[in-house]
Amino acid sequence: AQTVTQSQPEMSVQEAETVTLSCTYDTSESDYYLFWYKQPPSRQMILVIRQEAYKQQNATENRFSVNFQKAAKSFSLKISDSQLGDAAMYFCACSGYALNFGKGTSLLVTP
Amino acid sequence: DGGITQSPKYLFRKEGQNVTLSCEQNLNHDAMYWYRQDPGQGLRLIYYSQIVNDFQKGDIAEGYSVSREKKESFPLTVTSAQKNPTAFYLCASSVDIGRLHGTQYFGPGTRLTVL
Repeated sequence: AQTVTQSQPEMSVQEAETVTLSCTYDTSESDYYLFWYKQPPSRQMILVIRQEAYKQQNATENRFSVNFQKAAKSFSLKISDSQLGDAAMYFCACSGYALNFGKGTSLLVTP
Repeated sequence: DGGITQSPKYLFRKEGQNVTLSCEQNLNHDAMYWYRQDPGQGLRLIYYSQIVNDFQKGDIAEGYSVSREKKESFPLTVTSAQKNPTAFYLCASSVDIGRLHGTQYFGPGTRLTVL
């Protein structure tokens, strides 16, 4: 069985600063995908970034980047130049036949 | 516009009643999923379907039922056997099941409250 652990229930960052959200996972699969989803107050789940486990290069999407450490089974999300609109719940997920989600990290962005 | 729609946005049910949540997608995706979200929890898988007329139980299928008669539609019925149905329900779809095509896209969700 897969498990996904997000050890930070809440995080806070000031506007324009950088914040890193942590995620560790456990899987017996050799080939898998990892995801970060954002859930704002509207509760719509929005895909932020995706990492293919067989790729060594860390994925980036504009201000969002990941630090993927396959041996350590770690998949952290870095948000640069934080904006007020980044405030949301962030969920880490690992692919199996469906997605296995962590419990989420609530990100607060202060002016 | 392609996307996933869920209706209704809010649903109220009396104890002992069955209710059906709608999920429709026009992304031409083969796979569809239902998740349940409770406060302070991540998403938990209820059912998924890889193809029309076929579906599989997820981690918390007890008290729920689904059908997949059309590729575009994957309705979820919350039965009276579900002991604690008050939750937020999310529907998702992906090109295919599994690792290679498993990027899932989500609908806006339905909030179910049992009175």
